[in-house]
Amino acid sequence: AQKITQTQPGMFVQEKEAVTLDCTYDTSDPSYGLFWYKQPSSGEMIFLIYQGSYDQQNATEGRYSLNFQKARKSANLVISASQLGDSAMYFCAMREEGLTGGGNKLTFGTGTQLKVEL
Amino acid sequence: EPEVTQTPSHQVTQMGQEVILRCVPISNHLYFYWYRQILGQKVEFLVSFYNNEISEKSEIFDDQFSVERPDGSNFTLKIRSTKLEDSAMYFCASSTGLAGGPREQFFGPGTRLTVL
Repeated sequence: AQKITQTQPGMFVQEKEAVTLDCTYDTSDPSYGLFWYKQPSSGEMIFLIYQGSYDQQNATEGRYSLNFQKARKSANLVISASQLGDSAMYFCAMREEGLTGGGNKLTFGTGTQLKVEL
Repeated sequence: EPEVTQTPSHQVTQMGQEVILRCVPISNHLYFYWYRQILGQKVEFLVSFYNNEISEKSEIFDDQFSVERPDGSNFTLKIRSTKLEDSAMYFCASSTGLAGGPREQFFGPGTRLTVL
């Protein structure tokens, strides 16, 4: 089974509108972290936001918020007031922390290509 | 702001040749990683490195691959005999690994490897 599933290969949104990018995950580890990264066409990976499995509140970072629904195992990224510069590939990733929690690998989803239109 | 750097940005090599990809992680980070991304596909974990040894590796990271931290700043990925299917973007990443907080992995800009 896929550990991270992103079901939207592509999304379009109008400038200034909000958009939600879906991510579901699968793990039996009680301690894990969920991440979103942005990959513009230039190729670099830019960290956007993090949600820990024990965090009670949804994470927010500026225009980015993470809609964390633990029972549903979903961690959707919400981008408010979209800008043209938000056009990029967005990857959801998970770190299963097990007993060590220190430097565990990230497992990525297949990504969602977001296009912001005028 | 500190960042992860990688050289070269693009490497072209012939099948069967050895390549070394170089990375300079963020200076106070303790954990180092290599990931690869085949064109149009998702990012895949290759290997993690901590305290001068491999802490975890994926099934992709076979005997053709090796990593090294030759000095206090560089972290290298060597592919001994490249194959066509090794063509990909290779990302180096580093993290603090300290308990608490996101401990996000900071990625370098990547090295695009093309095997002909």
